[in-house]
Parts: sequence; C-alpha cells; structure tokens
Amino acid sequence: DQQVKQNSPSLSVQEGRISILNCDYTNSMFDYFLWYKKYPAEGPTFLISISSIKDKNEDGRFTVFLNKSAKHLSLHIVPSQPGDSAVYFCAASPSGAGSYQLTFGKGTKLSVIP
Amino acid sequence: EAGVTQFPSHSVIEKGQTVTLRCDPISGHDNLYWYRRVMGKEIKFLLHFVKESKQDESGMPNNRFLAERTGGTYSTLKVQPAELEDSGVYFCASSHPVSRDRETQYFGPGTRLLVL
Repeated sequence: DQQVKQNSPSLSVQEGRISILNCDYTNSMFDYFLWYKKYPAEGPTFLISISSIKDKNEDGRFTVFLNKSAKHLSLHIVPSQPGDSAVYFCAASPSGAGSYQLTFGKGTKLSVIP
Repeated sequence: EAGVTQFPSHSVIEKGQTVTLRCDPISGHDNLYWYRRVMGKEIKFLLHFVKESKQDESGMPNNRFLAERTGGTYSTLKVQPAELEDSGVYFCASSHPVSRDRETQYFGPGTRLLVL
C-alpha cells in the first residue's frame, strides 16, 4: 500500500508559467516532507523541505505548501524554466526517535516547454 | 565539498553470482542510508546506519543482502547470491542532522545493477 502518492505521472508547462506538482500521503506519523529533483542517470537532488509545524516554505522560485488536515502537499515552481525539466519526487519521513527513513512517491515527470 | 559517491556506476552479473556495492558518504555525515529503485516502482528504503551501527534494517528484502559500515565511514552492500528480481538502481544517501527539522538526506548517483 503506497503511503506517498503522486497521482500525476507527468506534467507539461510553458516556460515562464507556474508548475504545480502534487503529493498526497496517508501515514499520520509523517512529519517532515521533502521534494527531490532527478535527472536521468543521476541520483535525486534535494530541492526543498517542510516540517509539519509549518504550512509553507519558500526558496527562490520554489515554494512548498503543506495541508496537514488534507494530508496533501504541493510544490510550486514559478517561473518555470526549461532546466526544471526532470522527475520530481515527493518524500516523507516519520516522527519519533530512530530512523528517518524516507518514503517516496513514484515521481512526476515535469516537462517545461520553451 | 565532495558529494556522496558510489561504485560501481553499473554492474551486470549472472543469477547466482555475488556483487558488492560501495558507498562513500559526505565527509562527517554519521547517517548513511541505502535505498533501491526497481524498474517502474518507487524508491524504497533498505537500511540506515548511524556511524557503524545499524539503526534500522527493516527494508532489507531478505538475508541475501548484507550491509556493512566498518569504522563508520564507507559502506558496502553485498548481494549473494543475486537473483533476477534484485535488478534495479541502488542509491546511497547520507545526512548529518543538526536538528530534526534540518535533516536532509543527500543522494549519490546510484549503482545500476542488472542480474541476467
């Protein structure tokens, strides 16, 4: 049973417009969320994170929003650039001491069209 | 600062053979994680070291997989004997938590394993 879901396998956006990538989770124990970007034949690259005590975190063109009641988060990229074309993974980590293993979604492939 | 490195980048072996993957974490990172992505599926957690100790190995699929981190520096993941379903990309990640909220795992490029 998937605990982190990215229901859109792909997304196409015009350069300069906003890209919105969505992620849903089911495990109430998750309290830390991350977005990773991945190019082919490379490892995931950390983009931005958010703790469950916040509902928004911003870093340049990237903003992550967290809606705890809906168990939903989204990544906004504005303005989108061709170099943003990649697969984006949502990941979640549980609360409590011990291992902070990440649970990943299946990813959304973003294509930014020039 | 050097990132997480993994060796080899690719490995093609026959069913029943042994393969050993290596991961060198970012210098000073006590936490080291192994993950695996099987074709078409999501990236899945295998295990977590804190220095040389196994903190969590709940994701290890079976006893054909053996991970070690002697001395708390680099780590190896050995698959013996390899089966067809072990094919996939094996990622290593490391982190050095300053506080719970600021722990970020940094990933290596992965080792692509193909078992024929």
